[in-house]
Amino acid sequence: DTGVSQDPRHKITKRGQNVTFRCDPISEHNRLYWYRQTLGQGPEFLTYFQNEAQLEKSRLLSDRFSAERPKGSFSTLEIQRTEQGDSAMYLCASSLEAGTSEYEQYFGPGTRLTVT
Amino acid sequence: KNEVEQSPQNLTAQEGEFITINCSYSVGISALHWLQQHPGGGIVSLFMLSSGKKKHGRLIATINIQEKHSSLHITASHPRDSAVYICAVRFKGTYKYIFGTGTRLKVLA
Repeated sequence: DTGVSQDPRHKITKRGQNVTFRCDPISEHNRLYWYRQTLGQGPEFLTYFQNEAQLEKSRLLSDRFSAERPKGSFSTLEIQRTEQGDSAMYLCASSLEAGTSEYEQYFGPGTRLTVT
Repeated sequence: KNEVEQSPQNLTAQEGEFITINCSYSVGISALHWLQQHPGGGIVSLFMLSSGKKKHGRLIATINIQEKHSSLHITASHPRDSAVYICAVRFKGTYKYIFGTGTRLKVLA
């Protein structure tokens, strides 16, 4: 257990439905990342938050995807009108930023999404 | 173009062997991470490097900024080291991480 939790761990949904995932980072971590990983591949960056500000989004993140981090604590990732190609493991990671120093990322267990 | 390449893609070793996994990247970076992922398991961060060398137990990670290259070494490998090892790079001027395709390591007893 890295201290980063994600909910739910598994989600099965029908094509066209909306889904929302939650990530609770380690409490003092101000950086939060969302990634997507498909079977046999490395993770792909989706988006990055520094505190409550969303500072970078991947071009992979179509307008059906939205992420929030209200109050700089937990974060949610919503996928609207899901498609079969959205089936993947969605990973959240958090880290601490102090000045210009960078620290290791702590990954959550992931939410496995299956779109039928 | 910001790219990350890992080699080898697959590696089988006998217990006790010294293992090296390589990561090369295309342009200047802010940070490089080595990650470990066991089959069906979560991702664990092994090292974060911006320069030099780090050691933790049997694992050693090095980075050569001029050569744009990093290596992960495992000394006295053990079957429990069997996992996928992934290099992740943050290029300068971006918060985005680019991940290598991973090296699938199998250590035989």
